[in-house]
Amino acid sequence: NAGVTQTPKFQVLKTGQSMTLQCAQDMNHNSMYWYRQDPGMGLRLIYYSASEGTTDKGEVPNGYNVSRLNKREFSLRLESAAPSQTSVYFCASSPPGSWGQPQHFGDGTRLSIL
Amino acid sequence: SQKIEQNSEALNIQEGKTATLTCNYTNYSPAYLQWYRQDPGRGPVFLLLIRENEKEKRKERLKVTFDTTLKQSLFHITASQPADSATYLCALDGVTGGGNKLTFGTGTQLKVEL
Repeated sequence: NAGVTQTPKFQVLKTGQSMTLQCAQDMNHNSMYWYRQDPGMGLRLIYYSASEGTTDKGEVPNGYNVSRLNKREFSLRLESAAPSQTSVYFCASSPPGSWGQPQHFGDGTRLSIL
Repeated sequence: SQKIEQNSEALNIQEGKTATLTCNYTNYSPAYLQWYRQDPGRGPVFLLLIRENEKEKRKERLKVTFDTTLKQSLFHITASQPADSATYLCALDGVTGGGNKLTFGTGTQLKVEL
């Protein structure tokens, strides 16, 4: 079982470049999420999508956009990368249900902005 | 402001002993609390969920308690093994507006020594 797949695994960008991080899940989950993880800050929610066709901002949405392409795929776009966006980005998904569903994570994209 | 606190210092214990990790939170009353394990270079993996009306939950060598009066959860690993070495994250459900959105603590690193 693939679970949640993120591409690429590593990326180095220059300030001002744009990039799209890809995420796909094969578990037929409704909800999908994008987090960033920084040392000492823990995982912080950037955007989430409760279902296909809907997206909403999380705790740290500035500088990012998302697209829920279909039920399987949820992409994160950096339009003009900044050094402050250097981080590890995780995508997650969760099954249907209004409360308390466990989240399934991919193994992350390590992004460095020079 | 809402806050989740986990001990940022690593916990070192001897193989066979019980490891106890703490998760404290303030200014919120979560419906659920979840625990995840994260290995270096990997995404978090769901371990256990406990509801606000549950005092204790067990799964094999793992035990979680939830004290809504103290606003604290304790995560225990009995008969610990070197393979249990990882970072453990607690997460509260619905802190930022409900549903399946989670807010994570920064995690505690556990090292189990032979």
